[in-house]
Amino acid sequence: DGGITQSPKYLFRKEGQNVTLSCEQNLNHDAMYWYRQDPGQGLRLIYYSQIVNDFQKGDIAEGYSVSREKKESFPLTVTSAQKNPTAFYLCASSGQSFYTQYFGPGTRLTVL
Amino acid sequence: GENVEQHPSTLSVQEGDSAVIKCTYSDSASNYFPWYKQELGKRPQLIIDIRSNVGEKKDQRIAVTLNKTAKHFSLHITETQPEDSAVYFCAASNPAEPGRRALTFGSGTRLQVQP
Repeated sequence: DGGITQSPKYLFRKEGQNVTLSCEQNLNHDAMYWYRQDPGQGLRLIYYSQIVNDFQKGDIAEGYSVSREKKESFPLTVTSAQKNPTAFYLCASSGQSFYTQYFGPGTRLTVL
Repeated sequence: GENVEQHPSTLSVQEGDSAVIKCTYSDSASNYFPWYKQELGKRPQLIIDIRSNVGEKKDQRIAVTLNKTAKHFSLHITETQPEDSAVYFCAASNPAEPGRRALTFGSGTRLQVQP
């Protein structure tokens, strides 16, 4: 877990703004994932990437975008098209076997 | 796609008692079932996982059982302690298939262990 970092820890956004959440890992993992967690609920998949320069939409991709230009980095942009972005965002990564997923510490996004 | 249902949503036990959380899944191709523990405001931490080639796995006070035919799996915690209080999530995936590698999570169970 210590090999995955997310920043910032807290983020405040005004309506109509795009914001980018950072996720970096030094575990040499091929796959990276973004999940959204709302209060009292489970984790829902936004996007995932199995290899550099490739990514797939998850269940709730609308209003979000990602890039995977480097193996270590998988930033998530929350666009103004996401109508209810206030949530806890968790990044995860897994190794070549795609079994165990390790999570970063999360970013709590609040829309003002 | 996969759908994972988890019950109960809340569970309160006395310290020393056992706790059982159950999950069912819909996709028969799923073959990897991890359990995560999440404390308030923290990241989920993997506590145990099971692959479909075994029916049970134990790690000290924690065990997971899998019934592939019925498509359900359960987490068993024995001799519960106050520090076991947290939210527990089950999940399912098929790591060998590119379109099924991402985890599908249950909705979580809030476990409270009363001292």
